Amino acid sequence: ETGVTQTPRHLVMGMTNKKSLKCEQHLGHNAMYWYKQSAKKPLELMFVYSLEERVENNSVPSRFSPECPNSSHLFLHLHTLQPEDSALYLCASSPQGSGELFFGEGSRLTVL
Amino acid sequence: QKEVEQNSGPLSVPEGAIASLNCTYSDRGSQSFFWYRQYSGKSPELIMFIYSNGDKEDGRFTAQLNKASQYVSLLIRDSQPSDSATYLCAGRSNDYKLSFGAGTTVTVRA
Repeated sequence: ETGVTQTPRHLVMGMTNKKSLKCEQHLGHNAMYWYKQSAKKPLELMFVYSLEERVENNSVPSRFSPECPNSSHLFLHLHTLQPEDSALYLCASSPQGSGELFFGEGSRLTVL
Repeated sequence: QKEVEQNSGPLSVPEGAIASLNCTYSDRGSQSFFWYRQYSGKSPELIMFIYSNGDKEDGRFTAQLNKASQYVSLLIRDSQPSDSATYLCAGRSNDYKLSFGAGTTVTVRA
């Protein structure tokens, strides 16, 4: 238990579906991250929120839409995804300005 | 050019031996470096970080940093089967951006 909880753990969706991934952290951190992990590839930083403001957006397609309503919760809204978006999506949190990330268990996404 | 590069492995070492993992980075603005361990089917967890040139030891782990050569390494002494995992090297260039390598898979043979 890392203090970062992600739901759902597994998600299968069609290309026309809309779904959301949820992340919640209980560590009192004020920075939250979405990373994408594909087989044999480096972790790709997607979005970073610090104090509920988006501070990094790594040229992610608009079919991925993040939302951070407060410092404990982070969402990733998914819409009209492509099969190549199938991956493990990892949420993480950290104290502000720290590289010590605490990861959730991930949401395994399959796009049919 | 990848920002952080690691040998993908697999690196196979006998139990009790030293496992040596290497990482190079291209961004000279990177100030601090992190090693994460990821067991199969699990999420990454931080095992060490290093900011200054030289060695940093924590139990059986030693991280080494050489900023002039843009080189980071991790040594695992007295390797145990429980050390079998993928090790991710990461460099931080600003408050929020951590660039990861693809990871080195280590297998410790009993």
